[in-house]
Amino acid sequence: EDQVTQSPEALRLQEGESSSLNCSYTVSGLRGLFWYRQDPGKGPEFLFTLYSAGEEKEKERLKATLTKKESFLHITAPKPEDSATYLCAVPQAGTALIFGKGTTLSVSS
Amino acid sequence: SAVISQKPSRDICQRGTSLTIQCQVDSQVTMMFWYRQQPGQSLTLIATANQGSEATYESGFVIDKFPISRPNLTFSTLTVSNMSPEDSSIYLCSVVRGSYNEQFFGPGTRLTVL
Repeated sequence: EDQVTQSPEALRLQEGESSSLNCSYTVSGLRGLFWYRQDPGKGPEFLFTLYSAGEEKEKERLKATLTKKESFLHITAPKPEDSATYLCAVPQAGTALIFGKGTTLSVSS
Repeated sequence: SAVISQKPSRDICQRGTSLTIQCQVDSQVTMMFWYRQQPGQSLTLIATANQGSEATYESGFVIDKFPISRPNLTFSTLTVSNMSPEDSSIYLCSVVRGSYNEQFFGPGTRLTVL
């Protein structure tokens, strides 16, 4: 059974304190791994898609990496506006997504 | 990306009633999905809605409870029937777009059942 596990569940950082979020997955044939950002009361906002081990993508202070078993979302010098829940997901057959439970990031100034 | 709108954005309903949620996309898409996000939880797929065919439901979700319509390639509706407080959730539609099958989500409908 396809499964996605994210850790930690919650992460509190000081502004400027870099860290990483983890997403481990078990799928029968990876068809991509997706990262989303979700603000309270809103729909998930697409961030990245990664398709092959060794692939990296960056967007502002965020960098996503992928290995054969897990993905990391690195946050460099975070700001309070980076506070949100970060979700990772993998596609089932037919492209519908299986989501992890998310990591809620809080960045204080 | 994709511009997706949902109506209503939120509603408070009485037990035993039904609510229909609309999802409108800015351009034609083949596949649309409906997800549920219960309080404090992640997203769970309810069903896949393809135009011209019956919706495909995930385990634990049935058509009598969550009927779906997909009359054209830019629009879909999800009805939550005979509601109970356990149906209080955010309901989200999504579409697949782009060469890498990126999936984009609407803003969600926050439903509270009393």
